[in-house]
Amino acid sequence: DTGVSQDPRHKITKRGQNVTFRCDPISEHNRLYWYRQTLGQGPEFLTYFQNEAQLEKSRLLSDRFSAERPKGSFSTLEIQRTEQGDSAMYLCASSFSGSSYEQYFGPGTRLTVT
Amino acid sequence: AQSVTQPDIHITVSEGASLELRCNYSYGATPYLFWYVQSPGQGLQLLLKYFSGDTLVQGIKGFEAEFKRSQSSFNLRKPSVHWSDAAEYFCAGLFRGGSNYKLTFGKGTLLTVNP
Repeated sequence: DTGVSQDPRHKITKRGQNVTFRCDPISEHNRLYWYRQTLGQGPEFLTYFQNEAQLEKSRLLSDRFSAERPKGSFSTLEIQRTEQGDSAMYLCASSFSGSSYEQYFGPGTRLTVT
Repeated sequence: AQSVTQPDIHITVSEGASLELRCNYSYGATPYLFWYVQSPGQGLQLLLKYFSGDTLVQGIKGFEAEFKRSQSSFNLRKPSVHWSDAAEYFCAGLFRGGSNYKLTFGKGTLLTVNP
C-alpha cells in the first residue's frame, strides 16, 4: 500500500515564474485536500476535491492559484506569477468519504521563491 | 469562530519523563479531533483521533489523548518519552464548514527531548 506521494519534493523558483505541483492520493481515496504550511504555523486549508469536483476553496487561494483533479485521481496545484510570500510547504492529503474522516498526508512540496 | 489552540510553542523534556501536550478547541459542538506528528521536512503522521465514545483514546507509538468536554480540551500524553519522539506535534479539529469537512490545525508544539 503506497501512501500519498507528492512531486517535486523541493522547488526553487524566481519571482514571477509559474510552478506546478502534483499529488497522487492513496488509490481508493476519493477526497483530496491541499494545505499550505508556513514556518512556525500549522497547515492551513487551501482547497478540497471529491472525485473530480472542486467543492471548496479557501480565501487564501488567490486568483494566481488553481487546482485541478481531472480524472478524480491525481491532482495538480499551479501557482502563477509566484511571489516571495508564496514560499511555504504545500501539503496534499487524501481520505475516503466512507471512512472516519481520517486524512493521510503526503511528504509535501517545499517551495522557495527567490 | 472555530479554532484550535496549542498554548505551548516549545516543550523540553528529559528522556524517560512523562509528557503532556495541551490542545483546546473553540466550537459550538464536539468536533472530531486529531493529533498529528511532523518530523523535520516531512509530512504529517496521524497519531490518534477522537470522534465519540470513550474519552480516552489510544494511538500509535505509545501515545494517548483524553477528551474533556467541560474544558474543551484534547491533551496528548505519553508516560515515558523516547529521544525519537522529538518532533513537532499538531492538534487538529474537523469542524463542519459548509457542506464539507476540512481540518483546522493549531500552531503546533515543538518537542525537544534531552538525553
